[in-house]
Amino acid sequence: EIVLTQSPATLSLSPGERATLSCRASQSVSSYLAWYQQKPGQAPRLLIYDASNRATGIPARFSGSGSGTDFTLTISSLEPEDFAVYYCQQRSNWPPKWTFGQGTKVEIK
Amino acid sequence: EVQLVESGGGLVKPGGSLRLSCAASGFTFSSYSMNWVRQAPGKGLEWVSSISSSSSYIYYADSVKGRFTISRDNAKNSLYLQMNSLRAEDTAVYYCARARGILTGSPKKTPPYYFDYWGQGTLVTVSS
Repeated sequence: EIVLTQSPATLSLSPGERATLSCRASQSVSSYLAWYQQKPGQAPRLLIYDASNRATGIPARFSGSGSGTDFTLTISSLEPEDFAVYYCQQRSNWPPKWTFGQGTKVEIK
Repeated sequence: EVQLVESGGGLVKPGGSLRLSCAASGFTFSSYSMNWVRQAPGKGLEWVSSISSSSSYIYYADSVKGRFTISRDNAKNSLYLQMNSLRAEDTAVYYCARARGILTGSPKKTPPYYFDYWGQGTLVTVSS
């Protein structure tokens, strides 16, 4: 089973700063990785799929990169609405299973 | 606009049963694979089950296999999760999520598959 490890657990930043979140897979997942944002009391929202493609309606300040085992979500300049928890997600090939990282909380410094 | 609305959550005793529903609108429901994902209070996300567009392929997490049953009714644009033999550790918000990707039945065909639209969730509490 592929395990996703996110770091750091918490990121304390100010609005306007750049956020860099990491997700490491225990074995290669090629480019089949997604990122989700979840705000308190809300459902998750798909931000990035296939490691680097922005989902519909996602602002350009969000970008994803990486392949194999190491992935990064970058928020170029934090807006007040970006403070939330971010999860990475991948699927195992067979049998199909989907796993999430434990999450990174981006909080206001 | 894609909308997913879950219902059926509530308080149930250990060993009890519950059936969750998800009403879909704003897209051609019969063309999409669908999923259930849950989140225990204060915890992360856990995939529960997935079903292909025509119900041909169904998959479960090990933690619920043999106890939960996913199904759908394309005529009613609805997704279901029958939960039996509930345990305290099943306590969570259950989200219905649409798939971006195709669910297959072959290990030779494993296209990327993500969850692109989510409902607001329904809380299931298992407690005596």
